Amino acid sequence: GNSVTQMEGPVTLSEEAFLTINCTYTATGYPSLFWYVQYPGEGLQLLLKATKADDKGSNKGFEATYRKETTSFHLEKGSVQVSDSAVYFCALGTDSWGKLQFGAGTQVVVTP
Amino acid sequence: NAGVTQTPKFQVLKTGQSMTLQCAQDMNHNSMYWYRQDPGMGLRLIYYSASEGTTDKGEVPNGYNVSRLNKREFSLRLESAAPSQTSVYFCASRGGGDEQFFGPGTRLTVL
Repeated sequence: GNSVTQMEGPVTLSEEAFLTINCTYTATGYPSLFWYVQYPGEGLQLLLKATKADDKGSNKGFEATYRKETTSFHLEKGSVQVSDSAVYFCALGTDSWGKLQFGAGTQVVVTP
Repeated sequence: NAGVTQTPKFQVLKTGQSMTLQCAQDMNHNSMYWYRQDPGMGLRLIYYSASEGTTDKGEVPNGYNVSRLNKREFSLRLESAAPSQTSVYFCASRGGGDEQFFGPGTRLTVL
């Protein structure tokens, strides 16, 4: 079956540090890949997505590239801010009903 | 434009009690979803509704029922709550694209 594996957190960084969150997946077919972010006390919101191999999604300084050969979709940001403190979820979508399979989530804490 | 709204925000139940979680969206989306979020497990799909009048089971449907009342509203019912159903519940909706839009969540504790 389909599955998503994310690196465990929490990840604690200083402001302006480089952030990488690893995400690998197992899926049949050609899934779409997503990163969602959950700020404290809120619901999830889409951060970025990629729908086919070698696509790069980007938003708010975050980037992730759909790597089919390594079945990965790692999230990166070059210089984090305190406001980036949140839980980040990698997810894959494989069917026309829009159902998503989520990873366990990675908490990121950015300190001043 | 409120997006996806959920009520209540918090709820405490005793084992065996029943309750309904309400969800509504004002984006004219066809698809709606109920997830539960547990520590270390991400979000797991409970039920979904691809369109008004249809519902289907997700990954963890046991102990839950749903109703797609109309295009806007999708409710989740716990008939006899159990401590294992202590969780944060999220409703989401999706229009024609890939993106799901999430509500703020309901934090449920079952004693």
